[in-house]
Amino acid sequence: GDSVTQMEGPVTLSEEAFLTINCTYTATGYPSLFWYVQYPGEGLQLLLKATKADDKGSNKGFEATYRKETTSFHLEKGSVQVSDSAVYFCALREETSGSRLTFGEGTQLTVNP
Amino acid sequence: EPEVTQTPSHQVTQMGQEVILRCVPISNHLYFYWYRQILGQKVEFLVSFYNNEISEKSEIFDDQFSVERPDGSNFTLKIRSTKLEDSAMYFCASSVQGARNTEAFFGQGTRLTVV
Repeated sequence: GDSVTQMEGPVTLSEEAFLTINCTYTATGYPSLFWYVQYPGEGLQLLLKATKADDKGSNKGFEATYRKETTSFHLEKGSVQVSDSAVYFCALREETSGSRLTFGEGTQLTVNP
Repeated sequence: EPEVTQTPSHQVTQMGQEVILRCVPISNHLYFYWYRQILGQKVEFLVSFYNNEISEKSEIFDDQFSVERPDGSNFTLKIRSTKLEDSAMYFCASSVQGARNTEAFFGQGTRLTVV
């Protein structure tokens, strides 16, 4: 079945550091890929998405590129801020699985001033 | 900005009791979902609902669970006889379409604690 694996967390960085959160997936078809973010006390919000190979999703300084050859969708940001502290979820949605999202474990990011 | 709203934010219930979790999806959305996250584990799909019927459900969604859209705005998840292992954060979501590239909008979640 489909699955998503994220790097083990939590991640703690200093402000302005470079961020990478790794995400790899297993899918039987050709999924769309998503990064969701959950700020403290809030629900899941879509951060970015990519729907086909080599697409780059970007939003709020975050980027991720859909790499079909390595089945990966790593999240990056060049300079993190304290306000980026949150839990980040990688997810996929398959054509063949209907409308469900399959999530990774989530990675807790803490950015210190 | 339109949003998905869930009530209550936190519910404590005794084992064996019935609970109803409520959600108001975004008004022009047609697909509705429930997910749950047990503490420290992944967010898991429970069920999707379209055109007044279940379109897909996971193996977690057994006979103890049911969903309903009782009117034009609410979408509910009922757990008939709660177990300790039902303790989790429950997220409602909605989307305009069910296509693979469509964004799902999530509510803030209801934390269910079964004691």
